[in-house]
Amino acid sequence: AAGVIQSPRHLIKEKRETATLKCYPIPRHDTVYWYQQGPGQDPQFLISFYEKMQSDKGSIPDRFSAQQFSDYHSELNMSSLELGDSALYFCASSRTSGGPRYNEQFFGPGTRLTVL
Amino acid sequence: AQTVTQSQPEMSVQEAETVTLSCTYDTSESDYYLFWYKQPPSRQMILVIRQEAYKQQNATENRFSVNFQKAAKSFSLKISDSQLGDAAMYFCAYNQEGGKLIFGQGTELSVKP
Repeated sequence: AAGVIQSPRHLIKEKRETATLKCYPIPRHDTVYWYQQGPGQDPQFLISFYEKMQSDKGSIPDRFSAQQFSDYHSELNMSSLELGDSALYFCASSRTSGGPRYNEQFFGPGTRLTVL
Repeated sequence: AQTVTQSQPEMSVQEAETVTLSCTYDTSESDYYLFWYKQPPSRQMILVIRQEAYKQQNATENRFSVNFQKAAKSFSLKISDSQLGDAAMYFCAYNQEGGKLIFGQGTELSVKP
């Protein structure tokens, strides 16, 4: 079965640089979520999109932006990177409309971002 | 705001034995969902089991079962016949329909041969 695809899997950037993370949801899934997991931490919700519109926003820094495109893939753009941005970034997708009420979120393998 | 608390940072179990991981949550909602996710060293997030709050019956998936106490806002995970492959970080999570997941701090489970 198709899974959530994230690219790149690993990314190394310098401070103050920009990074773009991509997420390709499972086909026919209409909702995408982004989570940030710092070292030894639990995943923290950043932002979500439903049918290409932002549906919820968490503790996402103003330096970060995200969008969902017409083909439902999503990109998380991170500018002016800081050392504290080093983390594992997960994308998850779900089928909210027409899917089961429990809204199971399927996670991608994550992108490990290291800021030097 | 909803919160999820896992008070056991680490747990250990002997292979083939049973272990219970604890989770409590706080919400003023009556309709919500609870999950246990497993995160092995690969860091992949794997859904282990889910529970719908409107269902009184505790969910079961093979060796994994939950004890859901809605009034007490408690949601523990029992792993029976523990296997070496069960060693991982386990996260308890909460969400409402269509919403974000709110995770607990995690419990690191080790399995001794």
